[in-house]
Parts: sequence; C-alpha cells; structure tokens
Amino acid sequence: AQTVTQSQPEMSVQEAETVTLSCTYDTSENNYYLFWYKQPPSRQMILVIRQEAYKQQNATENRFSVNFQKAAKSFSLKISDSQLGDTAMYFCAFTSSGEGNAGKSTFGDGTTLTVKP
Amino acid sequence: GAGVSQSPSNKVTEKGKDVELRCDPISGHTALYWYRQSLGQGLEFLIYFQGNSAPDKSGLPSDRFSAERTGGSVSTLTIQRTQQEDSAVYLCASSYQPRREQFFGPGTRLTVL
Repeated sequence: AQTVTQSQPEMSVQEAETVTLSCTYDTSENNYYLFWYKQPPSRQMILVIRQEAYKQQNATENRFSVNFQKAAKSFSLKISDSQLGDTAMYFCAFTSSGEGNAGKSTFGDGTTLTVKP
Repeated sequence: GAGVSQSPSNKVTEKGKDVELRCDPISGHTALYWYRQSLGQGLEFLIYFQGNSAPDKSGLPSDRFSAERTGGSVSTLTIQRTQQEDSAVYLCASSYQPRREQFFGPGTRLTVL
C-alpha cells in the first residue's frame, strides 16, 4: 500500500517570501501521479499542481513549483512571493496508475500554511 | 461549467439513525471518490468508482457504510445506525480519468448527536 507523509503539520511565512512544503511517499510502482491540493478555510479543495512520475521535468504553475526527486520519493512544493490568499491547508496526494488500482489515491495528513502580513 | 455538488451541506442526526449523502459529479467524469475528513485532519479514503468497474470499497470503515453510483453519475453514500465517531466532513470528488486531477465538492458536514 502507498503511504504519503507530510512532516510539517504547520508552517508560517511572511507575505512575499518563499516557503517550501515537504512531502515524501512510499510506493513500489514506477509510474504514478503526484498532486498538491489546497484547502482554504472555506473548505473546498482545489488543485495546485500535478506531476507525472515519468516526466523528469519539475512541474510549475505560476508561483508554485515542485521539486520532484523520484529516487528519493520526495515531492516538495515551493510557493514563491507568498500571498495572503495562499493561507490554507495543503495536501500532497499520490495516485496510482498500476493495473487493477489505477486512480486510487492516498493523501497526506496536510500542512497548514499561514501567510502573515 | 458546474462543479461537483454535494447535498446536504450540513446534516445533524441522532445516534442510531441512517443518513444518505449525495454527490453529483461533473458531467463526463468517469471516476468518483468519497473521502472522510475529521476536523483539521487529512483525507481518509472511503470508496472509489471507475466507470462500470466494481468499486474499490477498501476504505469503508465498517459494514454500516455503503455507497452506490447510479447510471455512472450521481452517487449516494449511506451510513446506517450512525455513531458519534461518524461525525466528520464527507467529501466527494470526481475525475475525468483515473490518472487526472480530482475536482472536489464542498462537502457535507455530518454531526451525530
């Protein structure tokens, strides 16, 4: 079974600074998908960024980028130029693409990020 | 277009009662997920539907929990004989393909008194 670990339950950052959220996972699969989701205090979860394991290039979406280290099974999220609206709980998620369980997802316990003015 | 919708948004029930939670996924999405989230905690996988395949029920915590998906669209999560530990937010998500990102609904907050 896959596991996803987010070792930082809470983090804070000053507005306009950069912060990195860590995520490690454990799997025996070679091809899979990794995601970061954001859940603001209003509760609705939205996608931040997506990474396909077979792609070596790190995904980027505007101020959000990942550092994907497949051998180390690490998938950290970097938020540049942090904004007050980035305050949320961030979840790292692993989605399997293996035969028979494609699509099954495992989420980490989340990191609560507070951006301070 | 319309996102994933869930109803009711809040449900308060008494211990021992049955409840039904509804999820309307995004049209055309073949994959549908149910998760449970306790206050300030992570997501606990409950069940996963993909097309016409048999659902993956491996996350259901007990036989009091069941779910169905009719016509490959709307899904209902049923909790029988509710217990206080069932109190949580129940989130539904859908995905165009199993390997793609999930779109989440706003959740149903269930409170069992």
